Amino acid sequence: GDSVTQMEGPVTLSEEAFLTINCTYTATGYPSLFWYVQYPGEGLQLLLKATKADDKGSNKGFEATYRKETTSFHLEKGSVQVSDSAVYFCALIEGGSYIPTFGRGTSLIVHP
Amino acid sequence: EAGVTQFPSHSVIEKGQTVTLRCDPISGHDNLYWYRRVMGKEIKFLLHFVKESKQDESGMPNNRFLAERTGGTYSTLKVQPAELEDSGVYFCASSQVSSSYEQYFGPGTRLTVT
Repeated sequence: GDSVTQMEGPVTLSEEAFLTINCTYTATGYPSLFWYVQYPGEGLQLLLKATKADDKGSNKGFEATYRKETTSFHLEKGSVQVSDSAVYFCALIEGGSYIPTFGRGTSLIVHP
Repeated sequence: EAGVTQFPSHSVIEKGQTVTLRCDPISGHDNLYWYRRVMGKEIKFLLHFVKESKQDESGMPNNRFLAERTGGTYSTLKVQPAELEDSGVYFCASSQVSSSYEQYFGPGTRLTVT
């Protein structure tokens, strides 16, 4: 079945550091890929998405590129802020479905 | 516009007891979903309502879990009797369109079974 693997956290960074959170996936078809973010006390929010190979999703300074050859969708940000502290979930949705398959989540802690 | 709300935010119960979680979707959203995240693991789909009907309940773990959505508005998820492995965070989400990945999630209910 489909699965998503994320790097384990927590990831602890200083403000303005570069962020990478690795995500790889296994899917039978050609899924769409997503990153969700959960800020403390809030629900998951869709952060960005990519629907086909080589697409780059971007939002709020975060980027991720759909790499079919390496089955990856790594999340990056050039300069993190304290307000980026949250749990980040990588997910995929197979064509014809609308239910995400999530990874385990990666906690990001950014210190001033 | 109010988002998806869930009640309670936390619940601690003993094994064998009953707990009922509630979810209020965004007004006008016919689709309501329940998910669960067991500590440190993936968020897993439990079921999907369209209005008051269960569209897909393939993720419900066993018959100790009962979900209802009478009247097609809010939904409840009852666990009876609760077991230790039921501990986790239960998320609710809603969407306007059935076949959309644009689901709006609530903050979750953290359930601890001791």
